Amino acid sequence: NAGVTQTPKFRILKIGQSMTLQCAQDMNHNYMYWYRQDPGMGLKLIYYSVGAGITDKGEVPNGYNVSRSTTEDFPLRLELAAPSQTSVYFCASSYSGLVSTEAFFGQGTRLTVV
Amino acid sequence: DQQVKQNSPSLSVQEGRISILNCDYTNSMFDYFLWYKKYPAEGPTFLISISSIKDKNEDGRFTVFLNKSAKHLSLHIVPSQPGDSAVYFCAIPNAGGTSYGKLTFGQGTILTVHP
Repeated sequence: NAGVTQTPKFRILKIGQSMTLQCAQDMNHNYMYWYRQDPGMGLKLIYYSVGAGITDKGEVPNGYNVSRSTTEDFPLRLELAAPSQTSVYFCASSYSGLVSTEAFFGQGTRLTVV
Repeated sequence: DQQVKQNSPSLSVQEGRISILNCDYTNSMFDYFLWYKKYPAEGPTFLISISSIKDKNEDGRFTVFLNKSAKHLSLHIVPSQPGDSAVYFCAIPNAGGTSYGKLTFGQGTILTVHP
């Protein structure tokens, strides 16, 4: 059971480059999320989705875009990379939006923008 | 304005002793609280939760206590084991209003358990 799979695990980008962080889950979860974690900080929500075709902004959406064309996949797009986007990115999923629902996280993508 | 705060960046404990991790929140309307555990190079994993209708929830060596009047919760690990060494995050699922499963995290506390 793979759970939530993120690719790549590591990436170095130059300022102004673009990339897509991939996230896939095999648990048939409707809810998916992207978080970023900066050093010494908690995770902050970038975008989330409550089902295929439905996405919405989280706390820190600037500089990012998402799409959700299937239940399984929730890619995160960085269009013009900036040093402030150097962070560890986590994708997560859950089967419902209830407060008691456990979220399952991927292993993370460590991104450095130079 | 941080809605969830973990004021201790790190905690060092001897194996077999109790570890106590603390979390404070700002809004008395919050009604559900979670703890996540994170090992290096891995994503967070759910550990334990508590509803505001309770003041204690226990799962094996892990117990979470909720003090609603103080807007404070704590995670107790007894006895602590070296494998418990990780970062522990307090999280609230509806800090921004409607939940949709969105989580607001504290900054985390790095727990180190020495053999």
